[in-house]
Amino acid sequence: QKEVEQNSGPLSVPEGAIASLNCTYSDRVSQSFFWYRQYSGKSPELIMSIYSNGDKEDGRFTAQLNKASQYVSLLIRDSQPSDSATYLCAVNMRNYGNNRLAFGKGNQVVVIP
Amino acid sequence: GAVVSQHPSWVICKSGTSVKIECRSLDFQATTMFWYRQFPKQSLMLMATSNEGSKATYEQGVEKDKFLINHASLTLSTLTVTSAHPEDSSFYICSATRTGTYEQYFGPGTRLTVT
Repeated sequence: QKEVEQNSGPLSVPEGAIASLNCTYSDRVSQSFFWYRQYSGKSPELIMSIYSNGDKEDGRFTAQLNKASQYVSLLIRDSQPSDSATYLCAVNMRNYGNNRLAFGKGNQVVVIP
Repeated sequence: GAVVSQHPSWVICKSGTSVKIECRSLDFQATTMFWYRQFPKQSLMLMATSNEGSKATYEQGVEKDKFLINHASLTLSTLTVTSAHPEDSSFYICSATRTGTYEQYFGPGTRLTVT
């Protein structure tokens, strides 16, 4: 099993709809979870951090964490064309030192006007 | 905020020359900095982890003598690509973390083209 998996292919959503992204991770004792947004040709930008089970909302973004299921998700409400980007899930791993994170391969989101 | 800068943002060099890329944390002290490489339409690939005042830890398959990393202070890390070849052309991105946290803040990246 990969450390962090983001299996869905490119996601196309109409403007104004909800985009839902999923991520699973392999290390049961991971404590820190992040979502990054990366526009084409740019570096990743941290958009959400979550550390406790449940939901965390920040503007149009909601992160959901379920440690028992080793699952973290990101919802983007009222999707805008500016949300079109690749979203990376990142998780800390206990076998990593130096505050390293394991990154998923990313999910591309395309918001159609 | 947590701002990380990189310089230069892009560079073109001739094969066989060396290129130095700087990564600075502008408004926080970064105990740990990371260097990534990303090829077009591919995932981030971690090259090395550097801690202030100690030797960098390189990922498997990354040549330490080719990619020299120096983390001279709590706000500055440098990556030097030595004897660059066209296959080293890529997007190099650094990130930094505050002491005791896992949140990584990325610099804007440096696009290297070796001719």
